[in-house]
Amino acid sequence: DGGITQSPKYLFRKEGQNVTLSCEQNLNHDAMYWYRQDPGQGLRLIYYSQIVNDFQKGDIAEGYSVSREKKESFPLTVTSAQKNPTAFYLCASSRRQSSGDTQYFGPGTRLTVL
Amino acid sequence: AQKVTQAQTEISVVEKEDVTLDCVYETRDTTYYLFWYKQPPSGELVFLIRRNSFDEQNEISGRYSWNFQKSTSSFNFTITASQVVDSAVYFCALLYGNNRLAFGKGNQVVVIP
Repeated sequence: DGGITQSPKYLFRKEGQNVTLSCEQNLNHDAMYWYRQDPGQGLRLIYYSQIVNDFQKGDIAEGYSVSREKKESFPLTVTSAQKNPTAFYLCASSRRQSSGDTQYFGPGTRLTVL
Repeated sequence: AQKVTQAQTEISVVEKEDVTLDCVYETRDTTYYLFWYKQPPSGELVFLIRRNSFDEQNEISGRYSWNFQKSTSSFNFTITASQVVDSAVYFCALLYGNNRLAFGKGNQVVVIP
């Protein structure tokens, strides 16, 4: 089945550690996105990528890093510089980053900092 | 600036009642797209509908219907004859610029059996 997978579903991290969240899609979509969701809030854009080896900062990129070495993969690293990393992280993809294409979302990763 | 406002935070209805979710948006773009997504307790966002700014025709899909009015910058969503499975958070979103989405804060819908 085509879709977006994220792993792990739950992730616990100690303060000061970097962690990497996985996002994979087999929809052959060009564009991929990372969002953060806090309780009672809408989603906020962290990073997005239109093509392999290219990505741009979103609204809240500080403390995060990404890579796009393959079309189907867009991992997100939450670094120790992120002051309040506990949140729900959602990955999305769209056919292109233009023309109003719909973004489809993965199941999310819930990160908790202990 | 792009902005989406969903005024009601939590709405409770008894099963089989209708529920309408309000969405008001702000944008200076002449071409834009509006979306509704559903987030069930599992957390995944499920795409429901996409509308472009040139198409104000209202749409009905099963028990769901949408009312888009550019004159009032609103894109409201109605669930008819609600069911327990409709309990979820519903997000309105505006696509702008380089395919970036601005989300409202969501409406928590609770359907009581």
